[in-house]
Amino acid sequence: DVKVTQSSRYLVKRTGEKVFLECVQDMDHENMFWYRQDPGLGLRLIYFSYDVKMKEKGDIPEGYSVSREKKERFSLILESASTNQTSMYLCASSLSAIYGYTFGSGTRLTVV
Amino acid sequence: DQQVKQNSPSLSVQEGRISILNCDYTNSMFDYFLWYKKYPAEGPTFLISISSIKDKNEDGRFTVFLNKSAKHLSLHIVPSQPGDSAVYFCAASAMGGSQGNLIFGKGTKLSVKP
Repeated sequence: DVKVTQSSRYLVKRTGEKVFLECVQDMDHENMFWYRQDPGLGLRLIYFSYDVKMKEKGDIPEGYSVSREKKERFSLILESASTNQTSMYLCASSLSAIYGYTFGSGTRLTVV
Repeated sequence: DQQVKQNSPSLSVQEGRISILNCDYTNSMFDYFLWYKKYPAEGPTFLISISSIKDKNEDGRFTVFLNKSAKHLSLHIVPSQPGDSAVYFCAASAMGGSQGNLIFGKGTKLSVKP
């Protein structure tokens, strides 16, 4: 089974902190994605990557950056955390859209 | 502009009855559709998919229907069980899914009451 592992299930950070969310997949997928899920807003794409060292902005990239130094790892960085970034963050990977995405279990981030 | 719309934020159904979750799309280039199910504090999991060359796909209690002319798909769950209570996301892709991303709807929260 494809496994997508997010390093933390729950995180509490202070406003202004730099926050790293890590995601690792074990099936050699080229494509990796970061979403946030908020009530009433569904899944919103933050950033995605089709290959090592490449990244593309999604629908809501402001306040975030990403890093993909190795194929299996895709990191989401909150440069200076703010309370409006309190959310559930979901990482996903895929071979291609037709095979669907495999999601991690999510990280519930609270910024206080 | 939303390309994939789930117009019902929530749905409540009695156990044993049918649940029908609806999804509309605007992009005529979409040719592959998926449904995901999400429990609280977990990531979404793949449920069922359908290609535009079909109008129906069935997997156990779950059936997805596609009406291309109406740009509408629906997920039927029969019979509904309390364990089906979750948020359901509809997703679509174009070009056979070989390129591009999945586009997700906002989700419908299904509650199945015992």
